Amino acid sequence: AQTVTQSQPEMSVQEAETVTLSCTYDTSENNYYLFWYKQPPSRQMILVIRQEAYKQQNATENRFSVNFQKAAKSFSLKISDSQLGDTAMYFCAFMKHGGATNKLIFGTGTLLAVQP
Amino acid sequence: GAVVSQHPSRVICKSGTSVKIECRSLDFQATTMFWYRQFPKKSLMLMATSNEGSKATYEQGVEKDKFLINHASLTLSTLTVTSAHPEDSSFYICSAAGGSGRTETQYFGPGTRLLVL
Repeated sequence: AQTVTQSQPEMSVQEAETVTLSCTYDTSENNYYLFWYKQPPSRQMILVIRQEAYKQQNATENRFSVNFQKAAKSFSLKISDSQLGDTAMYFCAFMKHGGATNKLIFGTGTLLAVQP
Repeated sequence: GAVVSQHPSRVICKSGTSVKIECRSLDFQATTMFWYRQFPKKSLMLMATSNEGSKATYEQGVEKDKFLINHASLTLSTLTVTSAHPEDSSFYICSAAGGSGRTETQYFGPGTRLLVL
């Protein structure tokens, strides 16, 4: 069975600075997807970034980028130029390759607070 | 693109009554929809997976007769909490997958807060 571990329950960063959130996972699959979702106080889950395991290039979305280390089974999220609106719970998630019916396996989340 | 709506956003009901929650994909056809439950400051717990036109697949420990799921079309799934009790009070979130180009990516609705008195 796949598992996702987020070892940082809470983190804090100053506005405009950079922060990295950790995520490790365990799987015997070779093809899969990894995701970071953000859940702000409104509780709306928002897709931040998506990585396909067969792609060696790290995914980036504006200020958000990942460091995907397949051999180490690590998938960290870097937020650059942190903004107050980045304050949220961040969930790392794993999904086996194979279509829309596959389940997301979530980590326990990291609560990020951006300080003014 | 990839917008999912949920209705209602908040509902209060009396113990013993049934409550229906709707989940709609507004700008794409969702071959699969998922229903989650989330407790405060916790991760999402998958309840069931539904595919259009077929019976839902429930996770272990989820009572299928209590949480009725219907996926009548490619844009609508409903979750009915039957004979609700206070312990069913929670935050329920749906997600939809199957949008073009990223069929495996789940997009989430804004959630429904259920309070059973």
